[in-house]
Amino acid sequence: QQQVKQSPQSLIVQKGGISIINCAYENTAFDYFPWYQQFPGKGPALLIAIRPDVSEKKEGRFTISFNKSAKQFSLHIMDSQPGDSATYFCAVPNTGTASKLTFGTGTRLQVTL
Amino acid sequence: NAGVTQTPKFQVLKTGQSMTLQCAQDMNHEYMSWYRQDPGMGLRLIHYSVGAGITDQGEVPNGYNVSRSTTEDFPLRLLSAAPSQTSVYFCASTLGGQRRSEQFFGPGTRLTVL
Repeated sequence: QQQVKQSPQSLIVQKGGISIINCAYENTAFDYFPWYQQFPGKGPALLIAIRPDVSEKKEGRFTISFNKSAKQFSLHIMDSQPGDSATYFCAVPNTGTASKLTFGTGTRLQVTL
Repeated sequence: NAGVTQTPKFQVLKTGQSMTLQCAQDMNHEYMSWYRQDPGMGLRLIHYSVGAGITDQGEVPNGYNVSRSTTEDFPLRLLSAAPSQTSVYFCASTLGGQRRSEQFFGPGTRLTVL
C-alpha cells in the first residue's frame, strides 16, 4: 500500500505570489505522478503530471519539480491568481496495480487580492 | 462526450437503508473506480474494476458492493447505510496502464446518512 504525505493542509497566497505544495511518498513507483485541481462542488480534474525520469515539467504557470531519490515532488504555481483558489491533490501510482492511484490529503489554496 | 456521469447528485438516507449510486462513462475506459472524499482525508479508494466482470477492493471497501456487467457502468451499492458513510462519492475512469495518472472524475454524489 502506497503512503502519501501532502503539505501544507492550507495555504493563503497574495495575487501574483508563488504557491508551493509538497508531496512525499514511500514506495518507488514508475508511472506518471499527477496533480489534480478541485473546485468546490466539482470533481477533481487532472492539472499536470510528470514522468518519473524527468526532474521538472512546466505547463504555463504550473510547474512540477520531482526529486526521485528523495521520493518527493512539488507543485509550483507562479503568478498565482484568484481563479487558482481550489483544493489541490497529489497522487502516486501504486506499484503492481495498473489502475490504482493513492491520493494525498489535499491542500486548500486561497489566493487573495 | 458526456464523460463520467453520476446520479443522484444529492441523497439523504436513514440508518439501515440501502441504495445504489450510479456511474456511467462513454469514453470506453476499461478502468473505473469509486472514491469517497472526507474533510482532511483526501480521496480514498473504495472499489475498482479493471474491466467488465472484474472488480477488486480498495482501501475502504467495508459496507459497499460493486459489480461491472458492462464497460460503461459501475454502480456502487450501500447495503445498510451507516452515519460513517456520510461523504461525497466520486466515480472515476481511466485508460489505465501508463495513462492511469489521468483519471476522469464525475461530478460526485453528496450522501448524508441520518
